[in-house]
Amino acid sequence: GAGVSQSPRYKVAKRGQDVALRCDPISGHVSLFWYQQALGQGPEFLTYFQNEAQLDKSGLPSDRFFAERPEGSVSTLKIQRTQQEDSAVYLCASSKVEDRVEGYTFGSGTRLTVV
Amino acid sequence: TQLLEQSPQFLSIQEGENLTVYCNSSSVFSSLQWYRQEPGEGPVLLVTVVTGGEVKKLKRLTFQFGDARKDSSLHITAAQPGDTGLYLCAGYSGAGSYQLTFGKGTKLSVIP
Repeated sequence: GAGVSQSPRYKVAKRGQDVALRCDPISGHVSLFWYQQALGQGPEFLTYFQNEAQLDKSGLPSDRFFAERPEGSVSTLKIQRTQQEDSAVYLCASSKVEDRVEGYTFGSGTRLTVV
Repeated sequence: TQLLEQSPQFLSIQEGENLTVYCNSSSVFSSLQWYRQEPGEGPVLLVTVVTGGEVKKLKRLTFQFGDARKDSSLHITAAQPGDTGLYLCAGYSGAGSYQLTFGKGTKLSVIP
């Protein structure tokens, strides 16, 4: 597609519920990133994929967070047993490999609210 | 962890005024990027600066990368209401780094 597509745009989850957030990157973009943006903050790195390989998951805040990209295109970020502190906007971004001048193209994000 | 400090955190100005926002770090970055983010949307890349001392202009926006590659500034001339948004700086720490580190941003409001 023309841009990075994320769904759902909004998700309200009860504490303890599992959620799955989807990201469709730009076609042909090898690199895919997930970021978490809390209210009033800049985005914080969660994890990075190159094709289907998860090369860095150092930013995932706990073992309740899990990300996958099984076929090297669509990615899913799963949060198990959601907590209130998980409330944030989850941003997905994609880029060409090693193309740091053009930077990332971000999706519009999924706003997760845990109640 | 390499931190990027942005200032001011909030800025409210009248249409037509000039402004400068800053991005500072104690660490050296191989390159710095500036993004603008509007409510409900993801950040959109404005510019990438790579060389120490580099100045880039994008219409009314002027971006400068510090000589030591530890800081950057964004200057807007004759601000317009359409400039309203959250301005984020972000940097790659090393030549082989793929991970962008973001500052907390400057929230700019331009009042008509």
